[in-house]
Amino acid sequence: DTEVTQTPKHLVMGMTNKKSLKCEQHMGHRAMYWYKQKAKKPPELMFVYSYEKLSINESVPSRFSPECPNSSLLNLHLHALQPEDSALYLCASSRETSGSYEQYFGPGTRLTVT
Amino acid sequence: GESVGLHLPTLSVQEGDNSIINCAYSNSASDYFIWYKQESGKGPQFIIDIRSNMDKRQGQRVTVLLNKTVKHLSLQIAATQPGDSAVYFCAEREGKLIFGQGTELSVKP
Repeated sequence: DTEVTQTPKHLVMGMTNKKSLKCEQHMGHRAMYWYKQKAKKPPELMFVYSYEKLSINESVPSRFSPECPNSSLLNLHLHALQPEDSALYLCASSRETSGSYEQYFGPGTRLTVT
Repeated sequence: GESVGLHLPTLSVQEGDNSIINCAYSNSASDYFIWYKQESGKGPQFIIDIRSNMDKRQGQRVTVLLNKTVKHLSLQIAATQPGDSAVYFCAEREGKLIFGQGTELSVKP
């Protein structure tokens, strides 16, 4: 199984809402990632978890809060977002953060902030 | 009013022809490179990778070439098919993975 799953597929939320994005993998990968992708742009790294610990935060605003409950799950909690946060949010995983291991991406959650 | 849009570089090829997608990377210390394919509405899909100690690597219908002297990476797709239509991103690893701007490949039947 080389699949990364993400839920929900689409999400529309108001600026005062609180919502969460979920990501799951069962490949035994110990590194998991959140990326943000705007239309016609490459994915931009937001957070990296290595062995369930946050190892990289790319200066992401605090209205985005990641959580790694266990080695298979990764959440992204959203609160008080802005319309410019509307984007495709991609989760990825890899065997490790170091070494030559490809990252496997999920299908993404299309987020619209109204 | 006037609208300004940002456009991806586009490569248009005829079905059956070979495609070459180029990428310039920025960091000579990058040790690992990956090509991803992203179809509309989907996440990036791994195509092929290459380590910095190699010049060339072949997969099924795809070849990646790495020229470290000029920091250039290319993806060659043989006998391009309509299903190859997508946006292609190169990515270099310098600690973390950094994606290039992408190229949109359009295959004409």
